[in-house]
Amino acid sequence: DAGVTQSPTHLIKTRGQQVTLRCSPKSGHDTVSWYQQALGQGPQFIFQYYEEEERQRGNFPDRFSGHQFPNYSSELNVNALLLGDSALYLCASRKGRSGELFFGEGSRLTVL
Amino acid sequence: GQNIDQPTEMTATEGAIVQINCTYQTSGFNGLFWYQQHAGEAPTFLSYNVLDGLEEKGRFSSFLSRSKGYSYLLLKELQMKDSASYLCAVSPPSGGYNKLIFGAGTRLAVHP
Repeated sequence: DAGVTQSPTHLIKTRGQQVTLRCSPKSGHDTVSWYQQALGQGPQFIFQYYEEEERQRGNFPDRFSGHQFPNYSSELNVNALLLGDSALYLCASRKGRSGELFFGEGSRLTVL
Repeated sequence: GQNIDQPTEMTATEGAIVQINCTYQTSGFNGLFWYQQHAGEAPTFLSYNVLDGLEEKGRFSSFLSRSKGYSYLLLKELQMKDSASYLCAVSPPSGGYNKLIFGAGTRLAVHP
């Protein structure tokens, strides 16, 4: 049983570019959340998707947007990249409201 | 808002016991989580406390005092593989269990 899978694992972009990160939740999970983890910090909540809709949002600007597909997979899009967007982007999934949150290994984004 | 404090770094000896503390100030509270994160890997769930008291799970135990805004993670019979970051996180009442507020993490180094 595959856990949460994310792609790509590493990528490098330049300021002003746009990036799309992808996540497949653990089998049987229907809720996906995205977190940003800067070096040496804990993860920060970006937003959560359930039934293809954004349900909750953290303190991130509109440059951060997402999508959930009918198969529960999800994308995180970041526009107009800034140097400060360099971080590990973690996807987490769970089934409904109960149970533990399972994290993927993340996509490491470097913005030059 | 929420503020979570935990020590930045700790060291311990193989076979020993270590206690990692976490204090939090929050306007509301659903529960407290502990996650383990090895370098370059996904955070993995260790424990969850919602009521005061001690939850034991093998070599790992977690304690919560809601009135004091305090939790600790106790690791017994330390092994080299326990060298990792330990993340304390709270679940705010408005966020369900998908929106977790994380501390910066405690990097634990276990030496022979």
